[in-house]
Amino acid sequence: TQLLEQSPQFLSIQEGENLTVYCNSSSVFSSLQWYRQEPGEGPVLLVTVVTGGEVKKLKRLTFQFGDARKDSSLHITAAQPGDTGLYLCGGMRGSRLTFGEGTQLTVNP
Amino acid sequence: DSGVTQTPKHLITATGQRVTLRCSPRSGDLSVYWYQQSLDQGLQFLIQYYNGEERAKGNILERFSAQQFPDLHSELNLSSLELGDSALYFCASSVVGGGSTDTQYFGPGTRLTVL
Repeated sequence: TQLLEQSPQFLSIQEGENLTVYCNSSSVFSSLQWYRQEPGEGPVLLVTVVTGGEVKKLKRLTFQFGDARKDSSLHITAAQPGDTGLYLCGGMRGSRLTFGEGTQLTVNP
Repeated sequence: DSGVTQTPKHLITATGQRVTLRCSPRSGDLSVYWYQQSLDQGLQFLIQYYNGEERAKGNILERFSAQQFPDLHSELNLSSLELGDSALYFCASSVVGGGSTDTQYFGPGTRLTVL
């Protein structure tokens, strides 16, 4: 049983479209971290959200932590081919980071 | 470049063999984590060390073991290898080894192929 469920698993869109990726759990986390991973490389941290209801923006990316600190979303506005990659959410409890299975995003020019 | 280094980048071996993967954390980081990433299981936490001591254990098989040395580098030993052990193995490091804002920096990974 996956502690963190990410949806959708795969997403293929055209350049300029908007998209939202969801990360859901029945467990409470002290923080939720979003990573992006490109083929052949390790995951790279995009953002950490800590407070319930927190919203963080990183250029065209908007991250939100649910009020109950059990879920999170990542919204990308006007997606570009450079946004292509595997997006992973990770829930932190103590020292342990548990990852969802990821969302493979492909942005076509 | 995260500052975490892993060697080797690729490793091809046969079933039943034993291999050692090496990780050097970022300068100043005391904690090292090992993860396994496969197509069907995603990124799975294996084990964490903090300043030489084991701190947390995840889904690590008994055939696998790890240690962190006084200079803080870490090694992951995989023995009696099976086809299913083929995966990407990542090392990550962080400063304090836990806490809501503790950031884990990932290395480039070692791709293990067991034939």
